[in-house]
This record gives sequence, structure tokens and C-alpha cells, in this order.
Amino acid sequence: EVQLFESGGGLVQPGGSLRLSCAASGFTFSTYAMTWVRQAPGKGLEWVSAISGSGHKTYYADSVKGRFTISRDNSKNTLYLQMNSLRAEDTAIYYCAKEQNGDYVGSWFDPWGQGTLVTVSS
Amino acid sequence: DIQMTQSPSSVSASVGDRVTITCRASQGITNWLAWYQQKPGKAPKLLIYAASSLQSGVPSRFTGSGSGTDFTLTVSSLQPEDFATYYCQQANSFPVTFGQGTKLEIK
Repeated sequence: EVQLFESGGGLVQPGGSLRLSCAASGFTFSTYAMTWVRQAPGKGLEWVSAISGSGHKTYYADSVKGRFTISRDNSKNTLYLQMNSLRAEDTAIYYCAKEQNGDYVGSWFDPWGQGTLVTVSS
Repeated sequence: DIQMTQSPSSVSASVGDRVTITCRASQGITNWLAWYQQKPGKAPKLLIYAASSLQSGVPSRFTGSGSGTDFTLTVSSLQPEDFATYYCQQANSFPVTFGQGTKLEIK
């Protein structure tokens, strides 16, 4: 069974940093692109970032470009999202998700982790 | 960016009803469209991909159709567990974008 488990969320002050992790199991991690999607409280879904299976190709939403960095450690089956210069508008539940189409980046996502809450507030 | 617009934003229906949700893309996306279901406090779940392909394990009462700019998700006979929020998502080009969601409520 494919499982994804996010961790690393919490309360951080504006301008601060946080690193999210997503531990994957149940599939050959290195052969699948992965993505991060966030959801602000009571709002819809917003794609944040994606990465190819090798980690060589990365993609970002304009809203986080230059502040967030996606990476992965295929030896640890773990996906990361380093978030710097955090703003109040980054407050959201952050989900990691597996791309359905192997190493193709930017298709559809299944499954999703349970999410981790990031709150940016002073 | 490609804008995805869902309608209606919310709909009330009864168990056994047939419900259709529409999603319109601001430009053509061929069949690069997915539908997700999200229940309160839970992660989204993929229902339909490539506009009309049913994800494994999803009941056949869910059907997707459309191509180009106009798409629909139909639930043929609503079950109690289907009351949730539904999102469409385009995968034609980056950035991937989602519709604003349609909340399906019990009448």
C-alpha cells in the first residue's frame, strides 16, 4: 500500500523558515515525480511545487518561487520542502502527493498524505 | 496561467439524486483534467483522470466527460458518503491549477 506521511509543520513567525518532510513507502520512490499542494484554512487547493524522480527538474508556483525549495532524498524515500521568508499568506495545510504518471511531472496526484499545518503568525 | 471555473459553487441534493458539476478552462486543455473529492479534515482523493478515466477503486456511479474547455463530473445516484467538496484540476501546463471547488450538501 502506498503511504505518504508529512511532518515538520508548526507555528513560525513572519520571515521565518520551516522544512517540511514527506516520508514515502509502498512504491519505488525514485521512479515517481512528487508534488506539494497547499490549502489555506477554509479555502481551495493551490499547487506549490513539483520535482522529478531524479530530483534534477523542479517547478514552482510564482507565489513561492525564490522562497521555497523542493528536494528529495531517494535513499531515504523522503520528499522535502524548505520554506524561507514565510508570510502570513503561506498559512495552510501542506500536502505531499505522488504523481500518477511515473516520472512525468505535472499530471494528476494520487495518493495524498494527510497534510501538515503551517501557521505563519507573530 | 489557465483558470479553472467550477459551477455551481455549492449544490444541495438528496440520496439517490443525479448530480452534475461543471468545470470550464480558460483555454483548451484537451483531456488533461482530473477530478478530486475532499471530505472535511481529509486529504483530496483522485476520482477521475484524463477527463473520463475512472481511478481504481472509485465507484462506477462517478463519470467524467468533456474535452477542450468544458468538462463535467456526474454522480449517477448519490450515496451518503458522496457528500463532500469536489475539485477539478488541469494538467495541461504549469502551473497546475485547480477549480475553486463545489460543495455537495445533503438536502
